[in-house]
Amino acid sequence: DAGVTQSPTHLIKTRGQQVTLRCSPKSGHDTVSWYQQALGQGPQFIFQYYEEEERQRGNFPDRFSGHQFPNYSSELNVNALLLGDSALYLCASSFSVNEQFFGPGTRLTVL
Amino acid sequence: RKEVEQDPGPFNVPEGATVAFNCTYSNSASQSFFWYRQDCRKEPKLLMSVYSSGNEDGRFTAQLNRASQYISLLIRDSKLSDSATYLCVVPYNAGGTSYGKLTFGQGTILTVHP
Repeated sequence: DAGVTQSPTHLIKTRGQQVTLRCSPKSGHDTVSWYQQALGQGPQFIFQYYEEEERQRGNFPDRFSGHQFPNYSSELNVNALLLGDSALYLCASSFSVNEQFFGPGTRLTVL
Repeated sequence: RKEVEQDPGPFNVPEGATVAFNCTYSNSASQSFFWYRQDCRKEPKLLMSVYSSGNEDGRFTAQLNRASQYISLLIRDSKLSDSATYLCVVPYNAGGTSYGKLTFGQGTILTVHP
C-alpha cells in the first residue's frame, strides 16, 4: 500500500512566478491537509480539504490556494512567489480528522 | 503566548542517557496531543499520542499536565538512532469538537553521541 506521495520532490522558481504542488493521499483517506515548514521551524498549517471543499484554513494569504479532486488527490497553488515562500511543503492525508500521515514533501526554493 | 511552545535545544546526550523535553500549549480546550519525530530532511512521523494523563511505549513516556498546560516526552536509555527533531503537536479543538488542523511547536533537536 503506497503511502502519501508528493510531486515534484524539488522545485526552483523565481520571484513573481506561480507554482503548483501535487499530493496523492494514502489509500482509504479522504482528507488532505497542507503545511509549510520553513528551515528550523515546525510545520505551519495552510489549509485542509475534505469532500473537495476547503474545510479549514490557517493564517496564509490568498496567494495560497488549493483544490481537491474527486479521487481525493490535491493541489496547492502559490501565486506571485516571494523569497519567504521558500520552504518544505508537506501534504498529510487522513480519514476525516483521524491520524494524519505525511508525505515526503516538496522542497521549494524561490530565487 | 504562542499556541505551542518548545525549547528548541539542541540537546546533546551520550548513549544510554535519559532526556526529557517539555512543551506548553495555550488552548485549554485541547483534548489530545501528539509527539512527532522528524529526521533530517524527512517528513514528520507520529511517535506517540497522549489522550489522558500519559502514555508509555517502551523507552518513551509522554505525560500530560492539564492544570499547567504542558506535555513532556521522556526518552530513557537513548540510542544513536533517537537523534532527530521532536515536535510537540496539538490538534485544534473548539467547543469540544476536534478539527483536523495540527499546530506544531518549533521542535526540539536531539543528538545522541557515542
